[in-house]
Amino acid sequence: AQKVTQAQTEISVVEKEDVTLDCVYETRDTTYYLFWYKQPPSGELVFLIRRNSFDEQNEISGRYSWNFQKSTSSFNFTITASQVVDSAVYFCALRAGSARQLTFGSGTQLTVLP
Amino acid sequence: DTAVSQTPKYLVTQMGNDKSIKCEQNLGHDTMYWYKQDSKKFLKIMFSYNNKELIINETVPNRFSPKSPDKAHLNLHINSLELGDSAVYFCASSQPDAWGGYTFGSGTRLTVV
Repeated sequence: AQKVTQAQTEISVVEKEDVTLDCVYETRDTTYYLFWYKQPPSGELVFLIRRNSFDEQNEISGRYSWNFQKSTSSFNFTITASQVVDSAVYFCALRAGSARQLTFGSGTQLTVLP
Repeated sequence: DTAVSQTPKYLVTQMGNDKSIKCEQNLGHDTMYWYKQDSKKFLKIMFSYNNKELIINETVPNRFSPKSPDKAHLNLHINSLELGDSAVYFCASSQPDAWGGYTFGSGTRLTVV
């Protein structure tokens, strides 16, 4: 069975602070894919990144960076110099083995205060 | 040019009614999905079709019935609506391999009163 845990239910930071959102996953499959999505107050799901299990390289995209560590089954997401527009619910998701569907974590509500 | 479009965006209806939500994708993807997002924001798979064939059917009340007339369309019909059905329903599509990623529709907010 696949499982994704986002232990941080809510995080509140002041603008320009750095913030890390944690994601821990469970799967017995050796081939899997990890995703992060952003859900702003408007409600749509915005794709941020995908990573496969064979690529442990960290990735940076502007103010966003991702740290994938198979040894700890974690795929953490860091926002550098946060902005008010980063306020949203962030979801980590897993697709593993032959499964077609995504298994989502429960999401982290990030609030960036001005 | 919307990739995955859902209609309607909002749906308010009374208990006991029957309603449908429609989804269409123009990406040429083979697989389509329905996810339900509850009031606590938790997203859970409901159904999936691959080329019109039902491949995922999670533990969902049989009042919910998906239909896929072709691989570009996946509709969700709900009979005898209950208060607990109130949620946001997301349609999504993907190619069979995960590397192509998933594309989500903008969601349908269903409110049962």
